[in-house]
Formats: sequence, C-alpha cells, structure tokens
Amino acid sequence: GQNIDQPTEMTATEGAIVQINCTYQTSGFNGLFWYQQHAGEAPTFLSYNVLDGLEEKGRFSSFLSRSKGYSYLLLKELQMKDSASYLCAVTDSNYQLIWGAGTKLIIKP
Amino acid sequence: GAVVSQHPSWVICKSGTSVKIECRSLDFQATTMFWYRQFPKQSLMLMATSNEGSKATYEQGVEKDKFLINHASLTLSTLTVTSAHPEDSSFYICSARDQGRDHNEQFFGPGTRLTVL
Repeated sequence: GQNIDQPTEMTATEGAIVQINCTYQTSGFNGLFWYQQHAGEAPTFLSYNVLDGLEEKGRFSSFLSRSKGYSYLLLKELQMKDSASYLCAVTDSNYQLIWGAGTKLIIKP
Repeated sequence: GAVVSQHPSWVICKSGTSVKIECRSLDFQATTMFWYRQFPKQSLMLMATSNEGSKATYEQGVEKDKFLINHASLTLSTLTVTSAHPEDSSFYICSARDQGRDHNEQFFGPGTRLTVL
C-alpha cells in the first residue's frame, strides 16, 4: 500500500531551527509537496521537490532523497506564527496526491 | 495567481436538509478539482476527484449518492451534502490543479465549515 510517515507533533523554541521529517512508500513518484496549515484554515503551499537535493526559500528549505524515500522541511529563525501543522504529500504514478497525517509544530517563547 | 474561492465559508443547517458548497478557480482553468474533508485534529481526507464534464471519482467509503459532485465548467465544481446529519459536520476543503503549471500543485480554497444541528 501507499504510506507517508511524519511525526505527529514537535516542539521548538522561538528563534531556533527545526527539521520535520517525512518518509514515503508510494506506487511511483512524481514530486513531493510540503504544505502549512493553521488551525481552522486551508493548507497553503510551501515547497515542491521532484529532484534530489535541497530547495531553499527564505526561512524554509525542503530536501528530497528519492532513493531513500525521504524528505525533510527545515524551518529557520522560528517565529510564533510558524506554529501550525505541516503536511507532507507525494504525487504517485497516477498523479494522485497522497497525504501524510501532518506534523503539529508548537513554538514556545 | 492561482486563487481558489469557496462559498459559503461557513454554514449551519438543520438535520435532513441539503447543503451546496461551491468551489471556483478564479484565474485559471481547472479540469480537475478535489474535495477533502477534515475532522478536528485530523489530516485531510480525500473524498472525491471532480473531473470537468464527467463523473466524479469517489474514494472508498464515500457515498456518492450522499455527496453529489458536479463539475460543469472549467472553473466551477460543486459539492452537495444531501440529507445532512450531525456526523456530516466537518471542514470541507476543495482544491484545484492548475494544468498550466509544470508540476501538479493543488491550490486550496479557504474551506467551508459545516455544522449540522
């Protein structure tokens, strides 16, 4: 079956760095997305990786290793507003988006 | 660009009534739209894939006669929750895929919070 794993919850301190991991097992691979979702709101797009390596976008970076079925989202200089759920999603061979359960990130002052 | 709107943003209805939710892609054409449901503190659950001009594809366990989907144009898909019951209370989110982009990013609407009394 298809499976995406990410930690349920993480806690970090304001100003620090946090890495949220995601491992996947899917039938085919056509890209991996990271979305941010604040409570009661719809997800918003953060990043997209289809090739191995690191994609940097401001305070957020996303890494992909296709051979390992692994990605991480790196958040630097954490701010209180970064408290949210972070969703990892993989596009399979049928271009269906397979969602992880999300990682709830709690930022403490 | 790539804005998706949803209407209404919230709705309260009596048990047994039907509720229609609209999802529109405002600045792009979307041959494929998706309907999700999310219960509190849970992840997104794909309900169905809506294809313009054809029948929707429902995920296992989702009743197609209860959740009617119509995708009559390239910018509009509707979800009708028929004979709603309190257990249908949830956050319903639509998304649309922009065919004109290199990758298959889904753009999400702001969601509709349905409360059935």
